[in-house]
Amino acid sequence: AQKITQTQPGMFVQEKEAVTLDCTYDTSDQSYGLFWYKQPSSGEMIFLIYQGSYDEQNATEGRYSLNFQKARKSANLVISASQLGDSAMYFCAMRGLHRDDKIIFGKGTRLHILP
Amino acid sequence: NAGVTQTPKFRVLKTGQSMTLLCAQDMNHEYMYWYRQDPGMGLRLIHYSVGEGTTAKGEVPDGYNVSRLKKQNFLLGLESAAPSQTSVYFCASTERGPFYEQYFGPGTRLTVT
Repeated sequence: AQKITQTQPGMFVQEKEAVTLDCTYDTSDQSYGLFWYKQPSSGEMIFLIYQGSYDEQNATEGRYSLNFQKARKSANLVISASQLGDSAMYFCAMRGLHRDDKIIFGKGTRLHILP
Repeated sequence: NAGVTQTPKFRVLKTGQSMTLLCAQDMNHEYMYWYRQDPGMGLRLIHYSVGEGTTAKGEVPDGYNVSRLKKQNFLLGLESAAPSQTSVYFCASTERGPFYEQYFGPGTRLTVT
C-alpha cells in the first residue's frame, strides 16, 4: 500500500531563511510521481513542484526545490529565502502507476513565516 | 479555460437532507477525484473515476455516492447528510499516468447541522 508521511505538523521560520519541509513515502511501484501543493488561508490548492521517480536530478521551480532521495524514500521540499507570503499549509502527495491510479496526500505541514 | 469548477461554494444542510455537489472540468481529463479536508487530516479520497461511466471507492466512501455520466462532470451525492460530513470538499482532475499533477477546484464548504 502507498503511504505519505509528513512528520512536522507545524513550523515557525524567520523571514528570509531557508526552510525544509519533510516528506517520506512508501510504495512498491517502480514508476511514480511526487508532488507538493500549497494551501494558503484562502483555501485553494496550488501546485508547486513535481519529481518523477526516474528523474536523476532534483526538481526546481523558482524558490522551490525538491530534495529527492530515492533510497531513503524521501522527497523534502526546500523553500529558499522564505517570504511572509509563504505562510500556508503544505501537502506532499504521491501518484503511482497502479491500476487504479489513486493519488494520496500527507496530512500536511503548516508553515508560519515570522517577520 | 475555466479549469475545474465546483458548485456550490457554500452550503448548509440539516441532518437527513440530501444534496449533490457538481464538479466540472474543461481540460478533457480522464481522471477525476473527490476529496474531503478536515482539520489535521489532510485530504482524504472519497471516490474517484478513471473515465466516463466508471467510478471507484476511495479511502472514505461511506455515506457518499458518485456518478460520471459525462467525461467533463463528476457528481458527488449525499443521500442523508450527517454532522460528520461537515467538511470542505475538493474536486480534482488529471491526465492518465503518474507524471501529471492534479488540478483542483476551489472547494465547497459544507456544514451539516
